[in-house]
Amino acid sequence: GAGVSQSPSNKVTEKGKDVELRCDPISGHTALYWYRQSLGQGLEFLIYFQGNSAPDKSGLPSDRFSAERTGGSVSTLTIQRTQQEDSAVYLCASSRRTGDGYTFGSGTRLTVV
Amino acid sequence: GESVGLHLPTLSVQEGDNSIINCAYSNSASDYFIWYKQESGKGPQFIIDIRSNMDKRQGQRVTVLLNKTVKHLSLQIAATQPGDSAVYFCAELLNTGNQFYFGTGTSLTVIP
Repeated sequence: GAGVSQSPSNKVTEKGKDVELRCDPISGHTALYWYRQSLGQGLEFLIYFQGNSAPDKSGLPSDRFSAERTGGSVSTLTIQRTQQEDSAVYLCASSRRTGDGYTFGSGTRLTVV
Repeated sequence: GESVGLHLPTLSVQEGDNSIINCAYSNSASDYFIWYKQESGKGPQFIIDIRSNMDKRQGQRVTVLLNKTVKHLSLQIAATQPGDSAVYFCAELLNTGNQFYFGTGTSLTVIP
């Protein structure tokens, strides 16, 4: 596609529920990144994909967080048993290859109530 | 994670004036830097980049300066316009890294 697409744009969920966040990168971009941005904060790195594999998962905050990427394209970030501290904007970005500048999506605003 | 800091969290400028946003980084192994602009409700947008073998790069109304001696990066915006109001992030890439590390951001407000 022309840009990075994320869905849903907003998600309100109850504490304890699971959520799935989707990212559609730019076609042909091999690298895909997930970041989290809390209110008024910078971007916290979560995980990065090169193709379908995730060489660096070091930023995932806990084992409730997981992500996958299929077909070298779409990625899903899953948060299990959501907690209130998971409330944030989850940003996805892609680049043609690692080390290139990113193109970001508009993010998914997650609110856990 | 890496330390990427900003000197000022907020900056207000009069429309038409020049703006300077500063960023300090801590790792001398960083060799690629990008400035991003984030408007409310949107994802960060690429503005300008610079590699460590350069000390200055110019774009349209924007200039990035890199001082490797003191590990300092700045973004200069000429003739600031209301549409420049946003949060600006600097991001650094280590020469051994695959992902960028972002600072906390500077909020720029342009006063008409």
